[in-house]
Amino acid sequence: QKEVEQNSGPLSVPEGAIASLNCTYSDRGSQSFFWYRQYSGKSPELIMFIYSNGDKEDGRFTAQLNKASQYVSLLIRDSQPSDSATYLCAVKNSGGYQKVTFGTGTKLQVIP
Amino acid sequence: GAGVSQSPRYKVAKRGQDVALRCDPISGHVSLFWYQQALGQGPEFLTYFQNEAQLDKSGLPSDRFFAERPEGSVSTLKIQRTQQEDSAVYLCASSLSSGKALHTGELFFGEGSRLTVL
Repeated sequence: QKEVEQNSGPLSVPEGAIASLNCTYSDRGSQSFFWYRQYSGKSPELIMFIYSNGDKEDGRFTAQLNKASQYVSLLIRDSQPSDSATYLCAVKNSGGYQKVTFGTGTKLQVIP
Repeated sequence: GAGVSQSPRYKVAKRGQDVALRCDPISGHVSLFWYQQALGQGPEFLTYFQNEAQLDKSGLPSDRFFAERPEGSVSTLKIQRTQQEDSAVYLCASSLSSGKALHTGELFFGEGSRLTVL
């Protein structure tokens, strides 16, 4: 079992719709969770982090965390073509330092 | 510098050659990570430095891979006797913090070094 699992996609949504991206993790002791966006040929950039159960909203983005189910999600409201990218779920492990493990990423395509 | 700088951006090596990839992190960042990203995959952890100390090298795929950060700033990832399976983008990331604080852990990535082994 991979430490961080994501559906590779592609996930296609029409412009203006809600995109829902999901991630599960195996280390029950993990405490911090991140969503990075990676455009093709570019390096990842952080868009959201969450460490408490529940929802965290930032503009059009909402991160959701359920530690009991070991599940993290990212919702993108009013999706725009510029949101088309690969979204990487990352988990900060419960070890003695902040090792961050990434999933394989979900490719999102927003259709105009 | 303003961001994480990596060089070279592109490297083509013949199988069996040695390569060295350089990372210059954001000034003052304690933590430095190397990741390997194959096409269509997520970044795979290679190694981690806290200042000059290499605290975790569990992700290095073989003893052909070696990393160092002798003065706690610039880091070099060296790959000896390159193989075709080493072809990937090598990402360096730095972070200001080093501890267990929940809200920390944001990684700032460089543009990567794309290695192609022929």
